[in-house]
Amino acid sequence: EIVLTQSPATLSLSPGERATLSCRASQSVSNYLAWYQQKPGQAPRLLIYDASNRATGIPARFSGSGSGTDFTLTITSLEPEDFAVYYCQQRSNWPMCSFGQGTKLEIK
Amino acid sequence: QLQLQESGSGLVKSSQTLSLTCAVSGGSISSGGSSWNWIRQPPGKGLEWIGSIYESGNTYYNPSLKSRVAISVDRSKNQFSLKLSSVTAADTAVYYCARDYTDWGQGTLVTVSS
Repeated sequence: EIVLTQSPATLSLSPGERATLSCRASQSVSNYLAWYQQKPGQAPRLLIYDASNRATGIPARFSGSGSGTDFTLTITSLEPEDFAVYYCQQRSNWPMCSFGQGTKLEIK
Repeated sequence: QLQLQESGSGLVKSSQTLSLTCAVSGGSISSGGSSWNWIRQPPGKGLEWIGSIYESGNTYYNPSLKSRVAISVDRSKNQFSLKLSSVTAADTAVYYCARDYTDWGQGTLVTVSS
């Protein structure tokens, strides 16, 4: 079983600041890593797939990087609507997958 | 635009079977190459993949749930379904259906009562 560990658990920042979220895999997942945003009462929304590709309609301020076991989601210049919970997901053992435990991005 | 909508019993008694359906509109469940997935989220917790079904009919399940899960598709109704047997309080969660993890339903809360 591939375990994904996200850090930090909570990130407190102000609008306009840069956010850096981390996801570490217990073994290599190559680039089969996705990132999701979830707001209260809503379904997750795909932001990034295959580590660095933005999904359709996702603003350019969201970017993903990494490969193997270490991945980063970066949000440049936070907008008020960006404060949410973010999850990473690995699909290297397709068709199975697993999710990280999430990082809550909150307004400072 | 593809839309997915979960439906089913919101309250299930412990030891019974949870049954949910995901109705697909704005597209065909038989469109090539897509995965149709169930994911759940216990209140205040993270996401857990339950399982997937493909156009071929092949199904894949989370090993931790495999003995209790069944996912099926009804092409005539353009929908797919989830059955989870022998439920306990630990199965209380919001259940989501999704296509390829890009299109998601709004989710439905299922509570397991004793």
